[in-house]
Amino acid sequence: SQQGEEDPQALSIQEGENATMNCSYKTSINNLQWYRQNSGRGLVHLILIRSNEREKHSGRLRVTLDTSKKSSSLLITASRAADTASYFCATDAWTGTASKLTFGTGTRLQVTL
Amino acid sequence: KAGVTQTPRYLIKTRGQQVTLSCSPISGHRSVSWYQQTPGQGLQFLFEYFSETQRNKGNFPGRFSGRQFSNSRSEMNVSTLELGDSALYLCASSWDSNGAPGELFFGEGSRLTVL
Repeated sequence: SQQGEEDPQALSIQEGENATMNCSYKTSINNLQWYRQNSGRGLVHLILIRSNEREKHSGRLRVTLDTSKKSSSLLITASRAADTASYFCATDAWTGTASKLTFGTGTRLQVTL
Repeated sequence: KAGVTQTPRYLIKTRGQQVTLSCSPISGHRSVSWYQQTPGQGLQFLFEYFSETQRNKGNFPGRFSGRQFSNSRSEMNVSTLELGDSALYLCASSWDSNGAPGELFFGEGSRLTVL
């Protein structure tokens, strides 16, 4: 089962605009990660934010985490056509025996010229 | 440094057959995780291996099994294939510290089609 639910399911914007994706999850987490997947290929890690952090930046990416609301957002600024991909949040949570990374449902981002 | 390598990339099987997929992690990574990705169910966790031991398991039937070798390479096997097993199977490796997988490095996947 998915730990995270992402919103929106699909997003279409023009190049240069900002894209915001949201992720909600259900249980306590160690950290939350965002990944990108180009069509039919493997996932690529973008950024990791720990449960005691509230905001993190990496290049054009900004991630926020609100553990009280069990939610996170990914902001991509000044989008480019090359940002077209599916974006997934993944929550790292303790299962009792080890930590496990569970992925959300994903947001499909389309950036048009 | 070479990335995660999965073989085969594409394969077609018929119902009732079995399949073995292979994954070579990044050198030095001891944790290997497997995921099944389908349009309807998204990314579903299958299992994770660390130092040849299964450390975590998802909610899949016993037809899905895996193992890890002493060199950290991993295989997963699906027996008695069903049409619903058609999917992209992704392997990911990580450095792992303190029992947490941390950042995962994914292979390109093995796309299985069951006819």
